[in-house]
Amino acid sequence: RKEVEQDPGPFNVPEGATVAFNCTYSNSASQSFFWYRQDCRKEPKLLMSVYSSGNEDGRFTAQLNRASQYISLLIRDSKLSDSATYLCVVNMKGGGGADGLTFGKGTHLIIQP
Amino acid sequence: DVKVTQSSRYLVKRTGEKVFLECVQDMDHENMFWYRQDPGLGLRLIYFSYDVKMKEKGDIPEGYSVSREKKERFSLILESASTNQTSMYLCASSLTTYEQYFGPGTRLTVT
Repeated sequence: RKEVEQDPGPFNVPEGATVAFNCTYSNSASQSFFWYRQDCRKEPKLLMSVYSSGNEDGRFTAQLNRASQYISLLIRDSKLSDSATYLCVVNMKGGGGADGLTFGKGTHLIIQP
Repeated sequence: DVKVTQSSRYLVKRTGEKVFLECVQDMDHENMFWYRQDPGLGLRLIYFSYDVKMKEKGDIPEGYSVSREKKERFSLILESASTNQTSMYLCASSLTTYEQYFGPGTRLTVT
C-alpha cells in the first residue's frame, strides 16, 4: 500500500462550486497532517495544517479521520485562483525526525470560468 | 518571511559533469532538505540535514552527495551527472519537523 495516496485528478470544477478531495495514509501512528498548494512551475507552499478537531480557514476546511486514515480538503465558492495542485503531507514517523514528512503526489484542480 | 533561495532556476549540463546546486535559507533553521520532483512520482527526498556537517540519506540518495558547512547553506552535488537525473530539484528548510519552506526550484537538464 502506498504511504500517502491521492487521486491525481484533474478535477475540473466550475467557478463558485464546492470541491472536496481526500488523501489516505498508511501509517496509523502518523501524528501530523498538512495540505500544501503548488502552482504550476512554482514551489509547494503550506496551505493549512490539519488538526484532529478539523480546521477552517476562510473558504478552506480540512478534516482528519483517524479511524479510516484519511484527511480531506474542502474548498467552498471556488475561485479561478484556486487552480493548483494540492499536496497531502503526512508526518509518517510519529514522534518526529527531520525526515518525517511524506508527500502525496498531488491532486490537480482546475477551476473553470 | 522565510526566504529560501537556490542558485539557479534553470541549468543545462552534459552527462558526466559534476554539478553543484546551492541552497541558502535566512531563518536560522536547523533542518534542510533536498528533493527532486518528477511528473507522476511526486516529491522524493534525496538527503536532509538536521545540523551543520550532519547529513542523512533520504529515499533516493544514489548518485548524489551533500554538503553543509554552514547552517544557512546546503549543497547538493551530482558527482557525475546522468540523463536520469534530469528533474526539478527543490530545497527546503524547517525549524521543526513540521512546516517546510521551499525554494523556487532548479530545473536541471542533463544532455
